[in-house]
Amino acid sequence: EVQLVESGGGLVQPGGSLRLSCAASGFTFSSFAMSWVRQAPGKGLEWVSVISGSGHSIYYADSVKGRFTISRDNSKNTLYLQMSSLRAEATAVYFCAREVGAFDYWGQGALVTVSS
Amino acid sequence: AIQLTQSPSSLSASVGDRVTITCRASQGISSDLAWYQQKPGKPPKLLIYDASSLESGVPSRFSGSGSGTDFTLTISSLQPEDFATYYCQQFNIYPRTFGQGTKVEIK
Repeated sequence: EVQLVESGGGLVQPGGSLRLSCAASGFTFSSFAMSWVRQAPGKGLEWVSVISGSGHSIYYADSVKGRFTISRDNSKNTLYLQMSSLRAEATAVYFCAREVGAFDYWGQGALVTVSS
Repeated sequence: AIQLTQSPSSLSASVGDRVTITCRASQGISSDLAWYQQKPGKPPKLLIYDASSLESGVPSRFSGSGSGTDFTLTISSLQPEDFATYYCQQFNIYPRTFGQGTKVEIK
């Protein structure tokens, strides 16, 4: 059974940093691209970033470029999102998702709140 | 970035109704479109991929059609468990983008 479990969310002050993790199981992790998608409270879905299975190809949304860094450790079956220079508008639930073009599996999400 | 515009933004319908949601892309995306269902407090669930392919385990009352710039999601006979928000998403190019969502409510 495919499982994606996010961790690392929490309350952070504006300008601060946070690292999210997504532990994957039930599939060959290194064979799949993985994405982060976020959802601000009461709002729609916003794609954040993607990393290829090998880690060699990475893309970001313009809204996070230069402040967020996606990475993966295929030996640990784990996806990461390092977030820095956080602003209030980054407050959202962050989902990791397996990407096969569409996003076929999603984690339950990690809540990140940016507030003083 | 490719913009996806869903309509309507919300709708009220009764159990048994046929429901159609449309998604228009700002440029052609072939058939690189997916539809998701999301319920409050839950992650999105993939319903349709490649514009018209039904994801495994999804009831056959859900169907998708279209290519290029115009797409539709149809629920042939609305069931109580179908009241949710629906999103389209393109995977033709990066950045991936989603429609703004369509909330399906009980009439």
